[in-house]
Amino acid sequence: SQQGEEDPQALSIQEGENATMNCSYKTSINNLQWYRQNSGRGLVHLILIRSNEREKHSGRLRVTLDTSKKSSSLLITASRAADTASYFCAKKETSGSRLTFGEGTQLTVNP
Amino acid sequence: NAGVTQTPKFRVLKTGQSMTLLCAQDMNHEYMYWYRQDPGMGLRLIHYSVGEGTTAKGEVPDGYNVSRLKKQNFLLGLESAAPSQTSVYFCASTLLAPGTDTQYFGPGTRLTVL
Repeated sequence: SQQGEEDPQALSIQEGENATMNCSYKTSINNLQWYRQNSGRGLVHLILIRSNEREKHSGRLRVTLDTSKKSSSLLITASRAADTASYFCAKKETSGSRLTFGEGTQLTVNP
Repeated sequence: NAGVTQTPKFRVLKTGQSMTLLCAQDMNHEYMYWYRQDPGMGLRLIHYSVGEGTTAKGEVPDGYNVSRLKKQNFLLGLESAAPSQTSVYFCASTLLAPGTDTQYFGPGTRLTVL
């Protein structure tokens, strides 16, 4: 079953605007990761946040994690047309080596 | 480094045919994974391997077999393809070390079963 529930399923914004995607999960995690997938390509890792972290930044990306609400959000600031892609959250449980992926958010940034 | 490569990129099969998908990585990663991606369903884990000679079932293993005879290669087999196995298949690998949970993905194999 998919344990990384993502919201919204699709998001369309104008260049320069910020994009926020949310991910919820059900069980305890060791870390939560965000990946990006361009159309017809494999997934590329963006950022990892550990269960004891609350916020992390990487360039124009900001990820937050609220373990009490079992949720995470990915913020892309000052979006560009090149940010158009699908974004997936992936949860790593406290035991094991597997990741469980959400269904993804399709982001479209219009020039 | 080529990273993670997958062969073939595209394939069309008839129901009942068999095939093997090859995944290769040159990063000396211990763990390797096979996923399938279907529209609106994200990625689902088929099988994975925690090291040479070991394999384990994932979320959707039925109809698939795998082998990891060499550390750098992870093969996914379909013995008797079914239309329900039409999907895009991704291989991924990761290094077994603390704090390195990032998975590196191949470009995918698009499989159609008629």
